[in-house]
Amino acid sequence: GQQVMQIPQYQHVQEGEDFTTYCNSSTTLSNIQWYKQRPGGHPVFLIQLVKSGEVKKQKRLTFQFGEAKKNSSLHITATQTTDVGTYFCAGYDDYKLSFGAGTTVTVRA
Amino acid sequence: NAGVTQTPKFRVLKTGQSMTLLCAQDMNHEYMYWYRQDPGMGLRLIHYSVGEGTTAKGEVPDGYNVSRLKKQNFLLGLESAAPSQTSVYFCASSYIIFYGYTFGSGTRLTVV
Repeated sequence: GQQVMQIPQYQHVQEGEDFTTYCNSSTTLSNIQWYKQRPGGHPVFLIQLVKSGEVKKQKRLTFQFGEAKKNSSLHITATQTTDVGTYFCAGYDDYKLSFGAGTTVTVRA
Repeated sequence: NAGVTQTPKFRVLKTGQSMTLLCAQDMNHEYMYWYRQDPGMGLRLIHYSVGEGTTAKGEVPDGYNVSRLKKQNFLLGLESAAPSQTSVYFCASSYIIFYGYTFGSGTRLTVV
């Protein structure tokens, strides 16, 4: 089955800095979704990318889908303490999503 | 609009006991899923359902059973709990394929 890998596993960021987390698939993805889970919370859907090379922005978050539809990235600018949490990417495998292990982000004030 | 509701939120079981986790959604979603989340392992799919009366195995189905007798409810059963089933369990639903998932708030299960 499809495997989705995320790097890095942990990201420690100084408040105000930018960072990027990456998602790579062993197979071509029909689409990719990103979720955020706050500490002690549940995953919350952020966005879905469908087209090759697609770029979408949500305020300080920029999501990109690779040209070959096998990788994706999430870039956060000017990190804030509200960005703390684990970010998951997920790709569809038949009728269900296969999730990466996530990137856990901590922020130093 | 409650979304996805999971009960109970916390539970401690003794090894060998059984229990049922309930997931209810009020969004008329067709698809429902049960995941478990363990530290460093992300979300692993246990079972899922693509419609009322249907169920299918996911990545880690052993030791679990499910039922979807009504469209809005998806039940996860543990027949004989084991310590390896200590985890946080999340239910999710989606309208149809390729839509984003709505997750419940989770059930934290400890098996001693």
